[in-house]
Amino acid sequence: SQQGEEDPQALSIQEGENATMNCSYKTSINNLQWYRQNSGRGLVHLILIRSNEREKHSGRLRVTLDTSKKSSSLLITASRAADTASYFCATDRASGGSNYKLTFGKGTLLTVNP
Amino acid sequence: KAGVTQTPRYLIKTRGQQVTLSCSPISGHRSVSWYQQTPGQGLQFLFEYFSETQRNKGNFPGRFSGRQFSNSRSEMNVSTLELGDSALYLCASSLEGWWGTDTQYFGPGTRLTVL
Repeated sequence: SQQGEEDPQALSIQEGENATMNCSYKTSINNLQWYRQNSGRGLVHLILIRSNEREKHSGRLRVTLDTSKKSSSLLITASRAADTASYFCATDRASGGSNYKLTFGKGTLLTVNP
Repeated sequence: KAGVTQTPRYLIKTRGQQVTLSCSPISGHRSVSWYQQTPGQGLQFLFEYFSETQRNKGNFPGRFSGRQFSNSRSEMNVSTLELGDSALYLCASSLEGWWGTDTQYFGPGTRLTVL
């Protein structure tokens, strides 16, 4: 079953606008990560936020985490056509012992129109 | 550093056949994970190897297996292929595999089509 669920499933905006994607999860986590995937290719790691952090920035990316609501948001500011991709949140949870596995949501397809 | 490489990039097989996919991690990375991505189920964790040992396994049937070699290269095998095995298979490597703080670097994937 999916741990993370992104919302919306698809988002279409104009270049220069901001894009916000949300992720909700079900069980307690240690960290939450966001990945980007361009058209059926490999995933690219964007940012990791720990459970004791509330907000993190990286360039044009801003991620927030609300552990009480079990949700996270990814904001991309001043979007560009090159930001067109699918965005996934991934959460970790213990799978026995001290090792963890990443569980991905189904992603948000972002289209940035020039 | 070279990134994660996967071979082959595309593969077409028929039902009942078996297939082996290969993954070469980033130099120095000892953990290799495999994921299956389909439109219906999304990204699902298959298994993870570290120092030639399988440490974690997802909820996939025994037809899916893997191994890791001493140079950290990994292979996954799917036997008795079914139509539902058609998917993009992604490999990811990381230094130690502690995903909480250890970034996973993904390869471009192998697109498997089962006819």
